[in-house]
Amino acid sequence: GENVEQHPSTLSVQEGDSAVIKCTYSDSASNYFPWYKQELGKRPQLIIDIRSNVGEKKDQRIAVTLNKTAKHFSLHITETQPEDSAVYFCAASSGGTSYGKLTFGQGTILTVHP
Amino acid sequence: DGGITQSPKYLFRKEGQNVTLSCEQNLNHDAMYWYRQDPGQGLRLIYYSQIVNDFQKGDIAEGYSVSREKKESFPLTVTSAQKNPTAFYLCASMPPWPLSGANVLTFGAGSRLTVL
Repeated sequence: GENVEQHPSTLSVQEGDSAVIKCTYSDSASNYFPWYKQELGKRPQLIIDIRSNVGEKKDQRIAVTLNKTAKHFSLHITETQPEDSAVYFCAASSGGTSYGKLTFGQGTILTVHP
Repeated sequence: DGGITQSPKYLFRKEGQNVTLSCEQNLNHDAMYWYRQDPGQGLRLIYYSQIVNDFQKGDIAEGYSVSREKKESFPLTVTSAQKNPTAFYLCASMPPWPLSGANVLTFGAGSRLTVL
């Protein structure tokens, strides 16, 4: 089955700096890669996703890049703000009717210091 | 709560007891999922259902059971066979494929189960 590795497990940055979280996956059939943000005690919220026919996607301060050859994808957050502090999860699935069958990374605790 | 309602929010169980977690959605989604989250870890898939009266095991189905008698409802039973049931349980649903954009998988607010 699919295996997703996520690094780093914790990340501490100053407000205004950039943050990068990286994930690798093992199943070459995976073609859908979402990123979720989870605040303490809350449900995960989708913040951005990318499909395998695209190499990069951007939404305001958030961007995701995908390298299918190397089987890795990354989340980039620019101009970080204290409200970006949360746990971030990457995930992968093989799409089609399996879009919801996600394999998650272990999570990254992001702390943005004012 | 985004159209997916989970109850109860908190649940305490004695060892040896079965408990059922409720998940109801009014989004008219065909597919529904149950994930388990342990502290400091990612989510793991327990069971999923892509259509009424049909469901499949996920990665960690042992000790759990589900039913899908109605499109709107996908309850999860944590049985006494589940050796370490204390966790945060998240129900999710997804619109029909092909998908049109963001919010592919929508999560409920979760149920936190503690075994005493």
